[in-house]
Parts: sequence; structure tokens; C-alpha cells
Amino acid sequence: EAQVTQNPRYLITVTGKKLTVTCSQNMNHEYMSWYRQDPGLGLRQIYYSMNVEVTDKGDVPEGYKVSRKEKRNFPLILESPSPNQTSLYFCASSFDKNTEAFFGQGTRLTVV
Amino acid sequence: QKEVEQDPGPLSVPEGAIVSLNCTYSNSAFQYFMWYRQYSRKGPELLMYTYSSGNKEDGRFTAQVDKSSKYISLFIRDSQPSDSATYLCAPYTGNQFYFGTGTSLTVIP
Repeated sequence: EAQVTQNPRYLITVTGKKLTVTCSQNMNHEYMSWYRQDPGLGLRQIYYSMNVEVTDKGDVPEGYKVSRKEKRNFPLILESPSPNQTSLYFCASSFDKNTEAFFGQGTRLTVV
Repeated sequence: QKEVEQDPGPLSVPEGAIVSLNCTYSNSAFQYFMWYRQYSRKGPELLMYTYSSGNKEDGRFTAQVDKSSKYISLFIRDSQPSDSATYLCAPYTGNQFYFGTGTSLTVIP
């Protein structure tokens, strides 16, 4: 089954404690991206990756890092999480930037 | 000014009603216009998309774009309880998606 898998689905952490949210896709897609979804603000792109070892900032990259060492994986790293990063995070992948994005199930992160 | 404006609702309609969901946008560079559906506790999934102005129909769903007024619409005919979800418009420049905040729809049996 074609899918984008995120882990964990739910995470509560404390300010400053580094965390990683993993994302994996099994569709051999080249394009992957991370979004955060907040009430009243909709989905905002954090980072995207056109291919292995190619990443670029989206609209709200501050406080986040990503890496793309393999085609299937695109982890999101919060080196020092802060409460304003409490949000619902989605990973998405697509064949290229012009085609349909497939979204993961989401990761609800709470930073206290 | 936001790139995309979408009425968040919530919208509640009886089963069988015709539903109209709308967005306005400000960027003339938008070329594609996507509609995503997001069920509670799930990620968004692509419902349909149009390119440039005009209508596109897919079953009970019709997407409409009026580039002259920068207005995007999604119509749902014979709405069903299974249509209850949040609908996100997502215009696309060819380089980046811009998502609306979503309209929450509930179809009451």
C-alpha cells in the first residue's frame, strides 16, 4: 500500500529537549516536504526536499532542521523545541513538485 | 494580506443539500487550484484540481475557478454524511502550494 508514515503520532516534550519526527514514504517519490498546521493559519510549509541531499526552506523554517540522506526518509529535527512549536505536523511526498502530494497521518507535538 | 482566504465555517447542512465552499486569493501567479479533503485526525488528501479558469466535474464534486475575480469554488451535490470533513483550497504557483485555512463541513443525516 502506497503511504507516507510519520512517527510518533503524538509527542509531548519539554522546552529545549531535542527531538526528531521521522517520515518515510514507499512510493519512490523524489519530492518531500514538511508542514505545520495551526488553527486559523492553515498548512504552512517548513522545509522541502527536491531529492537526496537537496533541501530548501519553506515559509516557516526557523527552529527546524531536516536531512535527506535517503530517498525514502525525510526526518524533521527540532534541536531546541519551544512552546510556539506546539502544532500538528504533516509530512508529504510527491513524484515531483508539480504533482499530487500524499500526506502522512500527522504528528501532534506539544512542547511544555 | 494572506495569499489565500477561506471561510473557516463551520458549515452544517442536511444530507442531500448542495454545498458551496469558496476561497479567494491574491497572487496572479497561481496556475493550478487544488482542493484537499481532511478527515478528523487524518492528513489531507487530494480531492481534485483544476488548471486555469473554468469548471471541472468529478462525480458529485465540481471545482470552479474564476481567475478574473481570483475566486475558487468547490460544489458538492447530494451531500452525504461521509462528506463531513475539512476542505482546504490550495492554489499552486508551479513552485509552491499555498493552503487555505480550511472550511469545516458537517453533513447531518
